[in-house]
Amino acid sequence: GNSVTQMEGPVTLSEEAFLTINCTYTATGYPSLFWYVQYPGEGLQLLLKATKADDKGSNKGFEATYRKETTSFHLEKGSVQVSDSAVYFCALSDRNAGNMLTFGGGTRLMVKP
Amino acid sequence: DGGITQSPKYLFRKEGQNVTLSCEQNLNHDAMYWYRQDPGQGLRLIYYSQIVNDFQKGDIAEGYSVSREKKESFPLTVTSAQKNPTAFYLCASSITSGTRQYEQYFGPGTRLTVT
Repeated sequence: GNSVTQMEGPVTLSEEAFLTINCTYTATGYPSLFWYVQYPGEGLQLLLKATKADDKGSNKGFEATYRKETTSFHLEKGSVQVSDSAVYFCALSDRNAGNMLTFGGGTRLMVKP
Repeated sequence: DGGITQSPKYLFRKEGQNVTLSCEQNLNHDAMYWYRQDPGQGLRLIYYSQIVNDFQKGDIAEGYSVSREKKESFPLTVTSAQKNPTAFYLCASSITSGTRQYEQYFGPGTRLTVT
């Protein structure tokens, strides 16, 4: 079956530090990959996505590249802000699984001023 | 504005009572989903529906029920058979397609506390 593995948090950074949150996946088909962000007490918001190998998704300074050879989709940001503090979820959607999303366990990011 | 609404934001019930969580979308999406999130955990799929009057069980359907009488609405009932119902419940919707995988859009969630 499909699975997504994320690095465990919390990840604590100072403002303007470089961020990497690792995400690797296992899928039987050709998945699309997503990063979602959840702020405290809220639902999930789509942050970025990539639908095929070597695609780079980007939004609000965040980037992730779909690496089929390493089955990875690591999230990066060059300079984090306090407002980026949230929980980040990596997810995949596989057409062989009826477009169901498979989520990683989430990684909490805490950015200190 | 298009989006997904869930009500209420906070819900309190006594053990042994059934409770229904509301989910409405005006995005014209065919597919709708219910997830459960426990503290510090990821999301687990309860039920999903890809078309009106049809729905399927997800990974943790026991103790829950749903209906899909209208495209816009997908209410979730947490029954007294659910052994540990206290959680954060998230509703989502998406476009469906035979070949392309579309992202899901999420509502703001309902936090259910059962005592």
